[in-house]
Amino acid sequence: DGGITQSPKYLFRKEGQNVTLSCEQNLNHDAMYWYRQDPGQGLRLIYYSQIVNDFQKGDIAEGYSVSREKKESFPLTVTSAQKNPTAFYLCASSLARYNEQFFGPGTRLTVL
Amino acid sequence: QKEVEQNSGPLSVPEGAIASLNCTYSDRVSQSFFWYRQYSGKSPELIMSIYSNGDKEDGRFTAQLNKASQYVSLLIRDSQPSDSATYLCAVLGTGTASKLTFGTGTRLQVTL
Repeated sequence: DGGITQSPKYLFRKEGQNVTLSCEQNLNHDAMYWYRQDPGQGLRLIYYSQIVNDFQKGDIAEGYSVSREKKESFPLTVTSAQKNPTAFYLCASSLARYNEQFFGPGTRLTVL
Repeated sequence: QKEVEQNSGPLSVPEGAIASLNCTYSDRVSQSFFWYRQYSGKSPELIMSIYSNGDKEDGRFTAQLNKASQYVSLLIRDSQPSDSATYLCAVLGTGTASKLTFGTGTRLQVTL
């Protein structure tokens, strides 16, 4: 059953903590993406990766880091440098850079 | 000027009617256009892609693209209460730095 999984579904973080959000896909897609969604705003691109061991900053990369060691996995770390991390985080993948993107179920992060 | 603009709504239509959702974009060289449906608290789901001028139909959905006017629309025929959701328009440009840019979405309410 092909798809994109994200975990956890809900995550609570204390100020000053780093947290890592998981994203896994078994669609054999080369490209993967991380977006952030805030109420009343469109999705904003944090990071993307077109191929293993390569990734690029998106529009709002400050305070975030990623890795792409395996084709299937693209974890996102929200660091303590991200001043306003409470948001809905969405991982997406596409066959290649300019193809249709498909989304995982999302992780809702709340800073306590 | 926002890169991708949508009326936030809510757009209210009675059950069985046609819902018309509109989107304008600013990047004249954009090549690929997508409509996503997002239910409250859930992740976006791709429902239509369109790449060339004209209409594209898929079941009750029709996407319309007019590149000269920089306008893309989504028509939903025979609207059902289950169509009540936020519809996101997304536009992909060209070039190595291009990315998928999302509008803020139009909330559709289908009333009984």
